[in-house]
Amino acid sequence: DTAVSQTPKYLVTQMGNDKSIKCEQNLGHDTMYWYKQDSKKFLKIMFSYNNKELIINETVPNRFSPKSPDKAHLNLHINSLELGDSAVYFCAVALSGGGYNEQFFGPGTRLTVL
Amino acid sequence: GENVEQHPSTLSVQEGDSAVIKCTYSDSASNYFPWYKQELGKGPQLIIDIRSNVGEKKDQRIAVTLNKTAKHFSLHITETQPEDSAVYFCAASSRLGPTFGRGTSLIVHP
Repeated sequence: DTAVSQTPKYLVTQMGNDKSIKCEQNLGHDTMYWYKQDSKKFLKIMFSYNNKELIINETVPNRFSPKSPDKAHLNLHINSLELGDSAVYFCAVALSGGGYNEQFFGPGTRLTVL
Repeated sequence: GENVEQHPSTLSVQEGDSAVIKCTYSDSASNYFPWYKQELGKGPQLIIDIRSNVGEKKDQRIAVTLNKTAKHFSLHITETQPEDSAVYFCAASSRLGPTFGRGTSLIVHP
């Protein structure tokens, strides 16, 4: 069983569209994250979320929003996609107190905006 | 906020040589320092970590050192093998989460 899974693996779409990326974990960990990795491999945290607190990186546009239907899922919704949103997006999970614990990353979703 | 500098950006070594990657951080509140290895097409995976109450940690061919006073930490890989070729990321973590360095592309030539 894959600990952290993401769907889809590849996503190609047009500018202006709205899309979602799904993340599921079976580790039972409390804290989930979304990261963006750009073409230069720079890995940047976008959101961290547990059942009590959503922390947003202030540099993330409000077109991006995380949605958690339950403890095992944290989906990423993106509205009005722009060319600059093209990147690989990673979901990750960690034990509570997440910043102080190992992050378990998903396999990534490569988003291409045309 | 936290700022993590990582050097070098690219490191090329011969099989069997040692490789050293260095990172500095700015926020004294950071107290967890993980290292991740990312292979092509995959997500990063933890290879070793160190907490602020420890100065050095070793796991087989991999070791990490931490100097909290100077705010720098390093990854050492000995007896490198071709399968060590990957991108390596250091990170400095507070409660809110990790701040990653920009990565080091390690190439081990057979």
